[in-house]
Amino acid sequence: KAGVTQTPRYLIKTRGQQVTLSCSPISGHRSVSWYQQTPGQGLQFLFEYFSETQRNKGNFPGRFSGRQFSNSRSEMNVSTLELGDSALYLCASSVQGRDGYTFGSGTRLTVV
Amino acid sequence: GNSVTQMEGPVTLSEEAFLTINCTYTATGYPSLFWYVQYPGEGLQLLLKATKADDKGSNKGFEATYRKETTSFHLEKGSVQVSDSAVYFCALSERGQAGTALIFGKGTTLSVSS
Repeated sequence: KAGVTQTPRYLIKTRGQQVTLSCSPISGHRSVSWYQQTPGQGLQFLFEYFSETQRNKGNFPGRFSGRQFSNSRSEMNVSTLELGDSALYLCASSVQGRDGYTFGSGTRLTVV
Repeated sequence: GNSVTQMEGPVTLSEEAFLTINCTYTATGYPSLFWYVQYPGEGLQLLLKATKADDKGSNKGFEATYRKETTSFHLEKGSVQVSDSAVYFCALSERGQAGTALIFGKGTTLSVSS
């Protein structure tokens, strides 16, 4: 059974640009969540999607957005990149979101 | 708000030593509790979970018991191996909500030497 797939694995962007990250959940998983991991702030919840609807959102500025498609695949977009957005972005999927998540290997974003 | 507090690391042990990583939480409602492990350059792997008070989660020799009276979920292993070297995260999620978010502790780095 394939795991959670995130693409790309590594990304380097310039301040002010925008970026889109992709996540393919485990087949049959309808809940997809995104987390940001940094050395200073640790793991922080960005948002959760279920059946194409955002049903939970963390405390991040509006520059961070996401969406989910009918096949449960999800994308996360960050506009007007700042140096502080450099982080490992992790996607996680679950059947419904209550019994634990399976994480992908993450996308390492570096903003220069 | 909800929060998770883990013991500060790093924790350095010799192979076959006993491991305890403390985790306490603050939450409203009835959270599920998790331990995740992260190896260098990788994402998080679910190590074990417990969904209600007095449940014991176990996997690969690791155990943790959901203690509601002390709001704790300490991770233990009787005999660690070099391959257990990683960062361990305690986390909770609120049960009963339509949407779910995991709240993580800061993580504890474990280093095991042979």
